[in-house]
Amino acid sequence: GAVVSQHPSWVICKSGTSVKIECRSLDFQATTMFWYRQFPKQSLMLMATSNEGSKATYEQGVEKDKFLINHASLTLSTLTVTSAHPEDSSFYICSVLGPQGYEQYFGPGTRLTVT
Amino acid sequence: GESVGLHLPTLSVQEGDNSIINCAYSNSASDYFIWYKQESGKGPQFIIDIRSNMDKRQGQRVTVLLNKTVKHLSLQIAATQPGDSAVYFCAENPSKYKLSFGAGTTVTVRA
Repeated sequence: GAVVSQHPSWVICKSGTSVKIECRSLDFQATTMFWYRQFPKQSLMLMATSNEGSKATYEQGVEKDKFLINHASLTLSTLTVTSAHPEDSSFYICSVLGPQGYEQYFGPGTRLTVT
Repeated sequence: GESVGLHLPTLSVQEGDNSIINCAYSNSASDYFIWYKQESGKGPQFIIDIRSNMDKRQGQRVTVLLNKTVKHLSLQIAATQPGDSAVYFCAENPSKYKLSFGAGTTVTVRA
């Protein structure tokens, strides 16, 4: 399967600042990537679908102006949490839609803590 | 909306025994199902998948069973090992490309 990396693996930021998380597909050119959020002891919730060269598609209830997604190349998608607040503290995970068009391969996740 | 759910939030199993993790799904339009393993602080790791035109699929020490009549999915792990301790999620694709995850079952292997 595809190998996916995320950077940073963890980040602490102050309330009101912005933080950018990178998702890279290391061995596969990914047209489509996904961003998930996972709160402690909960399941993964899809935030948005990131398509290379076009605007991301956000799930209902996810603020597109707060969670900015840029999929500028076939190997990189970024998620920027703008004006972060403590309630944005979570585990953010990206995935890559694989070559068969239905399987997803996940990154290791990024732990965001907003103080 | 419809979502995937799990019957039990936790499962404790003796090392060497077989584990069975169950999952109920509600979206009859889903045609692809996956089991993921997630260790603490890590991203989900693919275990095995199955398409709706199959009832059973086997991998290395794992078997996935799909019962479309009752919308039930299960994961069987043979000879459970300490390294199998993790949270297991089932997921379905209620629409093209997207995955909907169940709540997760925490598996603890007793030595």
